[in-house]
Amino acid sequence: AQSVTQLGSHVSVSEGALVLLRCNYSSSVPPYLFWYVQYPNQGLQLLLKYTSAATLVKGINGFEAEFKKSETSFHLTKPSAHMSDAAEYFCAVDGGATNKLIFGTGTLLAVQP
Amino acid sequence: EAGVAQSPRYKIIEKRQSVAFWCNPISGHATLYWYQQILGQGPKLLIQFQNNGVVDDSQLPKDRFSAERLKGVDSTLKIQPAKLEDSAVYLCASSRGGTDTQYFGPGTRLTVL
Repeated sequence: AQSVTQLGSHVSVSEGALVLLRCNYSSSVPPYLFWYVQYPNQGLQLLLKYTSAATLVKGINGFEAEFKKSETSFHLTKPSAHMSDAAEYFCAVDGGATNKLIFGTGTLLAVQP
Repeated sequence: EAGVAQSPRYKIIEKRQSVAFWCNPISGHATLYWYQQILGQGPKLLIQFQNNGVVDDSQLPKDRFSAERLKGVDSTLKIQPAKLEDSAVYLCASSRGGTDTQYFGPGTRLTVL
């Protein structure tokens, strides 16, 4: 069965610093992987998705993620954090035949001035 | 294009009462999902519709939860009777189907007292 594990429920960075949010997956088939962002009192917004094309995926708002099969990882990065990046980030994997999303427990990103 | 609409945004009820949530997906989206997001956790799929048929309801507590999608457009999710552990955000999402991106609504925050 497919699953994802997000390491670190809370991450704090300074404005302008590198953002690195970690996600490891488990899948019996080549996975489709996603990163979603959730701002307070809002629904989830897709940042980027990996669908077995290029291993480095670029998303919105300057975020990108690299699929590493050998490490079963799909970490999310951004070179320079902005205050507006403060939100909760969810990694997800496509659950197979029905394409439901299986989410990790989320990482709350705080950006300090 | 308009996004996924949900109502109400907030609901507070006493345990053993009933409650219903409404979702209007993006126009033309055949697939509709209801997710439950408990505080501190990632969203978990409750039920998935393809047009007006159920594709996956394996994690829906059928003794108290029900959902329908009449005419393959709007959907309602009902809880009767509610328990304290049903306190969560209920997210509706829609997609064109298959591996197409899922777009999420703002959610309904349910508090059961």
